[in-house]
Amino acid sequence: GAVVSQHPSRVICKSGTSVKIECRSLDFQATTMFWYRQFPKQSLMLMATSNEGSKATYEQGVEKDKFLINHASLTLSTLTVTSAHPEDSSFYICSAQENEQFFGPGTRLTVL
Amino acid sequence: GENVEQHPSTLSVQEGDSAVIKCTYSDSASNYFPWYKQELGKRPQLIIDIRSNVGEKKDQRIAVTLNKTAKHFSLHITETQPEDSAVYFCAASKGNTDKLIFGTGTRLQVFP
Repeated sequence: GAVVSQHPSRVICKSGTSVKIECRSLDFQATTMFWYRQFPKQSLMLMATSNEGSKATYEQGVEKDKFLINHASLTLSTLTVTSAHPEDSSFYICSAQENEQFFGPGTRLTVL
Repeated sequence: GENVEQHPSTLSVQEGDSAVIKCTYSDSASNYFPWYKQELGKRPQLIIDIRSNVGEKKDQRIAVTLNKTAKHFSLHITETQPEDSAVYFCAASKGNTDKLIFGTGTRLQVFP
């Protein structure tokens, strides 16, 4: 199947800083990528749909100014958590579409 | 919007027994229903999916059934093995290239 990578796999940052997470489709082009957040022992919650060359579509309740999404190319989408706070600590997973959705390995964010 | 409910939240079975996980969805426009297996700290892996034009699909020990009228679908695992232990998520979307709405997850434990 298709391969999706995420970087970094794990990040620890101080409260108030910004963190950028990259999602790459390695062997296919993805016009659409999705960003999910998963709290411990909970389900994947869709945050936003990232469309190449246009603005992301955010789900209800997700602050677009806090979670900045950029999909500048057909193989790369980035999620920037701005002014991170401890409550933003979570597992962030992206997925990219090629007939089906392929998930990245996730990024564990810990905000101190 | 779409809402997906999943039951049970935890399921313990003896090795060799069958396991059944059930999901209901709310949006009659949903027509694609994948099931994912997620091991601790890992990405979700697609194990089987079904589209609304099909009532049942089977792949070795795994099967999925769909009742469009009642808006529910189920995952059936036969002859369970300890390596089947994981969290299973159902999801629904309006097409395999559309956003996925996940169920709440089922933690399956298979005891030797």
